[in-house]
Amino acid sequence: EPEVTQTPSHQVTQMGQEVILRCVPISNHLYFYWYRQILGQKVEFLVSFYNNEISEKSEIFDDQFSVERPDGSNFTLKIRSTKLEDSAMYFCASSPRTSGRAQLYNEQFFGPGTRLTVL
Amino acid sequence: GEDVEQSLFLSVREGDSSVINCTYTDSSSTYLYWYKQEPGAGLQLLTYIFSNMDMKQDQRLTVLLNKKDKHLSLRIADTQTGDSAIYFCAEGEYSSASKIIFGSGTRLSIRP
Repeated sequence: EPEVTQTPSHQVTQMGQEVILRCVPISNHLYFYWYRQILGQKVEFLVSFYNNEISEKSEIFDDQFSVERPDGSNFTLKIRSTKLEDSAMYFCASSPRTSGRAQLYNEQFFGPGTRLTVL
Repeated sequence: GEDVEQSLFLSVREGDSSVINCTYTDSSSTYLYWYKQEPGAGLQLLTYIFSNMDMKQDQRLTVLLNKKDKHLSLRIADTQTGDSAIYFCAEGEYSSASKIIFGSGTRLSIRP
């Protein structure tokens, strides 16, 4: 069964450094998302992406964040200058325009996550 | 704003039923979801219910929705050790690019 993959599984970086988190969505999916979960807190929506542009973004997704689909298969999240509070698990998700399950219009398939640790 | 709340921990004996409860605030939500997260794995959609339904049953899983009280529950019958995981309640709208709003997750542990 196709699945969303994410690399790396764990990224450690120094405060102020740039990081790029990579995701390979399911191949025929059209919508892409990033979420994050700070340890012990809720899974929070960051951004959704469709047709090569951002559809919606949350307040968390400020100018330090950017997303890109550089080559038609990867979907990346870049954090320009990491802060301690960016330490979290980052989940990528993708969804088709319509689901294989006839009634569910917006089923999002999640990757296993990248744990980002900012020191 | 949109918010989803659920208790953080639940411990049940193997073979008993587990009931995980959730409340949400957004009355425009079309879908209510239950996601399961096992250690080291991503969020897996377990089941969902339309907001115009009261109940949905899927094998050992029963979802109950009280739209008036904005209360959602997930009942797992005959709980097994393999059901140990974190269960996330979530809500979303009927839109292709709609975000999903998650609760904090309930960690279900199974006692022998």
